[in-house]
Amino acid sequence: GDSVTQMEGPVTLSEEAFLTINCTYTATGYPSLFWYVQYPGEGLQLLLKATKADDKGSNKGFEATYRKETTSFHLEKGSVQVSDSAVYFCALSGGSEKLVFGKGMKLTVNP
Amino acid sequence: GAVVSQHPSWVICKSGTSVKIECRSLDFQATTMFWYRQFPKQSLMLMATSNEGSKATYEQGVEKDKFLINHASLTLSTLTVTSAHPEDSSFYICSAPHPGGGYEQYFGPGTRLTVT
Repeated sequence: GDSVTQMEGPVTLSEEAFLTINCTYTATGYPSLFWYVQYPGEGLQLLLKATKADDKGSNKGFEATYRKETTSFHLEKGSVQVSDSAVYFCALSGGSEKLVFGKGMKLTVNP
Repeated sequence: GAVVSQHPSWVICKSGTSVKIECRSLDFQATTMFWYRQFPKQSLMLMATSNEGSKATYEQGVEKDKFLINHASLTLSTLTVTSAHPEDSSFYICSAPHPGGGYEQYFGPGTRLTVT
């Protein structure tokens, strides 16, 4: 079945550091790919998405590119802020409304 | 943006009792909602798909007689954990698809269930 593997952390960075969270997937066909973020005390929110190969999703300074050849969707941000502290989930949808999630990675950014 | 609420946000119950968790879409209608369970340091595990007007669809390994799901209206789905036991203690999260499609989901803030 479909699956998502991502870095689990936890990871602690200093403000303005570069962030990469690796995510690879296994799926039949051509899934849509997502990054969701869960801030402390809140529900998951969509951060960005990509629906086909070579698409780049971006939001709030975060970017991720749908790489079909490497089945990856790595999340990057050039300069993290304290407000980026959260849990980040990579997810895929294999053509239905069901989502398959990675295990999530907790990020803490220190001032 | 669209909002999904859950009630209660946390609940403590005694072993053997039943607990009902509500999931509401506040400003849009949802014919489908999803229920997830999140274990500490683990991902969200899809438990079931709640369908308005028909029976819920359960994922493999999820006991449908233990986790009763009722999609009472286009804005409300409920999850009832029957005869709860300590191993049912977990974080339960619901979601509803974006009304505009595209496979995006709106998530509730979750309900922390502790069974003593």
